[in-house]
Amino acid sequence: ETGVTQTPRHLVMGMTNKKSLKCEQHLGHNAMYWYKQSAKKPLELMFVYSLEERVENNSVPSRFSPECPNSSHLFLHLHTLQPEDSALYLCASSQDWDRDSYNEQFFGPGTRLTVL
Amino acid sequence: GQNIDQPTEMTATEGAIVQINCTYQTSGFNGLFWYQQHAGEAPTFLSYNVLDGLEEKGRFSSFLSRSKGYSYLLLKELQMKDSASYLCAVRDYNQGGKLIFGQGTELSVKP
Repeated sequence: ETGVTQTPRHLVMGMTNKKSLKCEQHLGHNAMYWYKQSAKKPLELMFVYSLEERVENNSVPSRFSPECPNSSHLFLHLHTLQPEDSALYLCASSQDWDRDSYNEQFFGPGTRLTVL
Repeated sequence: GQNIDQPTEMTATEGAIVQINCTYQTSGFNGLFWYQQHAGEAPTFLSYNVLDGLEEKGRFSSFLSRSKGYSYLLLKELQMKDSASYLCAVRDYNQGGKLIFGQGTELSVKP
């Protein structure tokens, strides 16, 4: 595997279910991100981890819970979601969380989530 | 706060040239990125500008004017495979390494 991978690619869940999204990066990067992409709306940054510590939390509802066990893996735990949470969830990584460097973000293919 | 605007949709003809504009307002500009995203796929990096001027990379070029808060992505010799969404993203110095994205421009290339 190369780059950034995400599983599952598609997920359908009921509002009472608990599920987790997984992201893995094979680039040796130190920063990882979760984004939400809804139709006709800009990418919304949800969480950022740098060296396994959360550095950004953009007022995301508590029904979304991130976990970063090591610098290569990032999870997004989901519980009691709402239909409006249906979207494409993208994971990304970059070399560092550093405002002074070029710091391109590399994206995974995303998980298409549907909440019934 | 930040505001990034780009057209929602554009249509162009195969072999032609198209320019996708992006305007932004940030308190601490620290770089602008363009990404390409095909339907159902990951966004992929196209270009990066932090200084004024034109950056050329094959059929794609990106221009930046910091004083005007303006960038454009220029696609030459359009091909059908260029049909995709093009995302403009700005980094704000006051917000660390965070990227602020525009809503994207959906480009359709017609034969």
